[in-house]
Amino acid sequence: AQKVTQAQTEISVVEKEDVTLDCVYETRDTTYYLFWYKQPPSGELVFLIRRNSFDEQNEISGRYSWNFQKSTSSFNFTITASQVVDSAVYFCALSEALSQGGSEKLVFGKGTKLTVNP
Amino acid sequence: DAMVIQNPRYQVTQFGKPVTLSCSQTLNHNVMYWYQQKSSQAPKLLFHYYDKDFNNEADTPDNFQSRRPNTSFCFLDIRSPGLGDAAMYLCATSMGGLRDKSYEQYFGPGTRLTVT
Repeated sequence: AQKVTQAQTEISVVEKEDVTLDCVYETRDTTYYLFWYKQPPSGELVFLIRRNSFDEQNEISGRYSWNFQKSTSSFNFTITASQVVDSAVYFCALSEALSQGGSEKLVFGKGTKLTVNP
Repeated sequence: DAMVIQNPRYQVTQFGKPVTLSCSQTLNHNVMYWYQQKSSQAPKLLFHYYDKDFNNEADTPDNFQSRRPNTSFCFLDIRSPGLGDAAMYLCATSMGGLRDKSYEQYFGPGTRLTVT
């Protein structure tokens, strides 16, 4: 069965610090997809990134960067120069294909609550 | 330009009183999902519709039902809510269609259900 582990339950940093959120996953599939979502206090899950298992290239988007390492089954997320608005719960997720082709469910980690203090 | 809309945002119901949560989408996606997220926990899939085909997760209680009258709308019915059903209920949509390709799921803002 698919499993996603986010070992860090809560992280607190001061504004402008860099912070890395860890994500380790388990899957038997050879093709799979990994995601990161942000959940601010309002509750909506905001999509950040999707990465497929064949693409190990790191990705950078503004202050956000992701490091995918298949060898260690990790998909870590770094926020550079953190800001107060980055405060949220961040979920790492793994897609699991459902029996019907074309639909899948997301298996989420337990989330990491990030607090960025001014 | 809201894409996935959930109504109401907050719902209070009494123990045992049926309640319906609503989700609509403007994305024309063929897959719609319902997730349950209890306090400080990860979202957990309850069921999903692929077009009109309903797919229930094995561990979803019978108390939870769903309807999808058309592409745009999907409802979550809780027949007899218990205190343990208090949670955030998240609706999501995705394109679906290709087994070897994954599309991101777009989530609505959620409905926070309180059971008194």
